[in-house]
Amino acid sequence: QVQLVESGGGLVRPGESLRLSCADSGFTFSGFYMSWIRQAPGKGLEWVSYINSDGLIFYADSVKGRFTISRDNVKKSLFLQMNSLRAEDTAVYYCAREDNTRSGHYLPYWGQGTLVTVSS
Amino acid sequence: ETVMTQSPATLSVSPGESATLSCRASQSVGTSLAWYQQKPGQTPRLLIYHASTRATGIPVRFSGRGSGTEFTLTITSLQSEDFAVYYCQQYLNWPPWTFGQGTKVEIK
Repeated sequence: QVQLVESGGGLVRPGESLRLSCADSGFTFSGFYMSWIRQAPGKGLEWVSYINSDGLIFYADSVKGRFTISRDNVKKSLFLQMNSLRAEDTAVYYCAREDNTRSGHYLPYWGQGTLVTVSS
Repeated sequence: ETVMTQSPATLSVSPGESATLSCRASQSVGTSLAWYQQKPGQTPRLLIYHASTRATGIPVRFSGRGSGTEFTLTITSLQSEDFAVYYCQQYLNWPPWTFGQGTKVEIK
């Protein structure tokens, strides 16, 4: 049973930083491709960042230069370092994982989400 | 960037009836199209991938069709637990991976 558990969300002021974590309780973690997806209150889903098993990384234009994705395969964890936060970054942040078929970045596994609120 | 457009925004359906949701891509995504269901306060759940393959544990009343730029998700004989928001997502042209804005299926 795959379980992804996010943590690290909270209330911060504009310009501040936050680091999100996502712990994977599955048997293997290192080979999986993962993304952070966010959902602003009452809005749809927005892809934020991606990292594969070889360290290939991508970011949405809206967060490029401010957010950094990383992973620790020993700790089976995914991270999102968020700097220079803005009000428009307010959202529930989900970590999500592909399956092991390498047939595309669709996402069968999601965490429960962690809420990030950026407000003065 | 591949823009995904879903229609309608809201679909009012009576329990037991069928619902057909549409998703259009701004450029071809082949069959690299997934559908997700999200209920209020819950995590998105993968329903369909590769445009027409049901994910593990998804009932047969959910079916997906299409290729290229036009896709549909059909839910036959709607159950009470099917009233939710549905999102499509393309995963051919990346980055970015893009979602539609969602279709809310509500009780008529």
